[in-house]
Amino acid sequence: DVKVTQSSRYLVKRTGEKVFLECVQDMDHENMFWYRQDPGLGLRLIYFSYDVKMKEKGDIPEGYSVSREKKERFSLILESASTNQTSMYLCASSLGAGQPQHFGDGTRLSIL
Amino acid sequence: GEDVEQSLFLSVREGDSSVINCTYTDSSSTYLYWYKQEPGAGLQLLTYIFSNMDMKQDQRLTVLLNKKDKHLSLRIADTQTGDSAIYFCAEKIYSSASKIIFGSGTRLSIRP
Repeated sequence: DVKVTQSSRYLVKRTGEKVFLECVQDMDHENMFWYRQDPGLGLRLIYFSYDVKMKEKGDIPEGYSVSREKKERFSLILESASTNQTSMYLCASSLGAGQPQHFGDGTRLSIL
Repeated sequence: GEDVEQSLFLSVREGDSSVINCTYTDSSSTYLYWYKQEPGAGLQLLTYIFSNMDMKQDQRLTVLLNKKDKHLSLRIADTQTGDSAIYFCAEKIYSSASKIIFGSGTRLSIRP
């Protein structure tokens, strides 16, 4: 089974802090994704990566950046956290184009 | 633009069948997916169907695809309390090698 692991289930940070969310997958998947999930808005794609050091903006990249230095790890960075970034963050990976995405358990991030 | 729509809520009696419906707009979709999300957890892939199929069955789950009407449904036979969750429909859009579009999710609740 595919295992996607997010480093924290719950995280509390302060406004202005730089925040790192980490995601690791163990199935040698090419593609990795970061979403945020908010009530009434569903899942929104922040960034995705289709190869090491490659990244593409999703639908809501503002205020975020990503890093993929190794194939198995995809990091989401909040450069200067703001309260409107309080949300559930979900990481996913997929083998290739069109293949199903497999999700981690999510990180519930609160920015105070 | 691409869009996936689902009704927000469904309530069924334990032991009955549940049918969750979804409509999508991208007629060139190649893959369509169903995910399940339990409280506080990430999304779990339930099943997926290729666009050249019209039905797929997997134990208690039956997926029906009507390409002409761009309508996808998920039927859960003999619904149990453990089936209480949010169910997301998603489609792989033709214009992107990796991106999939999610619906807002249908919250399924089970009555005794």
